Amino acid sequence: NAGVTQTPKFQVLKTGQSMTLQCAQDMNHEYMSWYRQDPGMGLRLIHYSVGAGITDQGEVPNGYNVSRSTTEDFPLRLLSAAPSQTSVYFCASSPRPGEQYFGPGTRLTVT
Amino acid sequence: DQQVKQNSPSLSVQEGRISILNCDYTNSMFDYFLWYKKYPAEGPTFLISISSIKDKNEDGRFTVFLNKSAKHLSLHIVPSQPGDSAVYFCAANAGNNRKLIWGLGTSLAVNP
Repeated sequence: NAGVTQTPKFQVLKTGQSMTLQCAQDMNHEYMSWYRQDPGMGLRLIHYSVGAGITDQGEVPNGYNVSRSTTEDFPLRLLSAAPSQTSVYFCASSPRPGEQYFGPGTRLTVT
Repeated sequence: DQQVKQNSPSLSVQEGRISILNCDYTNSMFDYFLWYKKYPAEGPTFLISISSIKDKNEDGRFTVFLNKSAKHLSLHIVPSQPGDSAVYFCAANAGNNRKLIWGLGTSLAVNP
């Protein structure tokens, strides 16, 4: 099992550009989520999904879109990048309430 | 309003000694608590958990204690090793809700 994979590992964007952060898991987990981690802010939930075709907002959803067409994939789209979206982004999947498996993260810089 | 609080941003201990990381919570609906460990440039990894029906859970060198009346849990690492140096996050959830509520983390440094 590869677990949770994320691409790219690093990305630099200019303000206003759009991009998609990829996330995939091969553990057949129904629940997947996206977090951002900023210094002093811990992990903040952006969006989550309880299964294919079902997504919902977390605590910081503005500026991000998600879709879940398959159980395996949960991409995160930045619509128009802003410097405030400079962060480290983690994708996670969960087999049961509570326990989550994280990907290695994507470090995004918006200039 | 922080529902899960880790009041110590950092902790330094000597190799071989005990590390105690603390976590407080405010929501009495939380019934499952977890500790995650995070190394730089990696995602968090699950370490140990405890259900609210227990007051202690042990896994090797790691023990989590839960005091529900005080809404407090702690992670004990005995003996501490340099490889334990990482950021430790406390997290909680309620019922079947898979959304975790996270603390801000405590950075542990274990000195040889």
